[in-house]
Amino acid sequence: KQEVTQIPAALSVPEGENLVLNCSFTDSAIYNLQWFRQDPGKGLTSLLLIQSSQREQTSGRLNASLDKSSGRSTLYIAASQPGDSATYLCAVETNDYKLSFGAGTTVTVRA
Amino acid sequence: ETGVTQSPTHLIKTRGQQVTLRCSSQSGHNTVSWYQQALGQGPQFIFQYYREEENGRGNFPPRFSGLQFPNYSSELNVNALELDDSALYLCASSLAGPSGYTFGSGTRLTVV
Repeated sequence: KQEVTQIPAALSVPEGENLVLNCSFTDSAIYNLQWFRQDPGKGLTSLLLIQSSQREQTSGRLNASLDKSSGRSTLYIAASQPGDSATYLCAVETNDYKLSFGAGTTVTVRA
Repeated sequence: ETGVTQSPTHLIKTRGQQVTLRCSSQSGHNTVSWYQQALGQGPQFIFQYYREEENGRGNFPPRFSGLQFPNYSSELNVNALELDDSALYLCASSLAGPSGYTFGSGTRLTVV
C-alpha cells in the first residue's frame, strides 16, 4: 500500500523567504507525482505534474523535483508572498488508477 | 475550456438519509474519480469511472456508489448516511492513462 508523508505539517515564514516543502512515498512504482494547492474549504488547484521519467518541473516561482528511486519530491517556492498562504498537497498516481495523497503542509507567509 | 464543476457546494443531511452529489468533467476528459477529504487530512480515493464502468475502488463500503454518463458527467451516491461521512467530497477528471487530474471545488457534506 502506497503511503505518502509530507514534512513539515505546518510552516510559517516572513514574506520574501524561499519555501521548501517535502514529500516522501513508500512505493517507487509510480506513474507520476502531482503537487496541488488547497485554500481553506476549497477544492484542489494543480500546480505541477512530474511524470515518472522526469526529474523536475518548473512554473514561474515554483520548482518541483522528483527522485523516484528514493521516493522523494521537493516543492520549492521562491520569494514567497502572502498570497502563497495555503495548504500544499502532494499526490502520487499508481497503476491502480488512483492518487494517494499526503496530509499536506500548511503554509503561512507573514507580511 | 471549462473546468470541473460540482453541485451542490454545501449540503446538510440527517443520519440515515441518502445523498447524491454531481460532477461535470472538464471538456475532453473521459475519466472521473471521486475523493473524500475529512478535515485536516489528505483526500482518500473512493472510486474511478471510465466509459461508464467502475475502473477502480478504494476502501469504502458498498453504500458508496457512483455513475458515469455518456457525456462523462458523474454522480456519487451515499446511502444510509453516517456522522463520519461528513467531509469535503472532491471530483476529479482526467484523460485515460497517467495524465494528471483536474479537481472541482468540492461539495461540503455535513451529516447531523
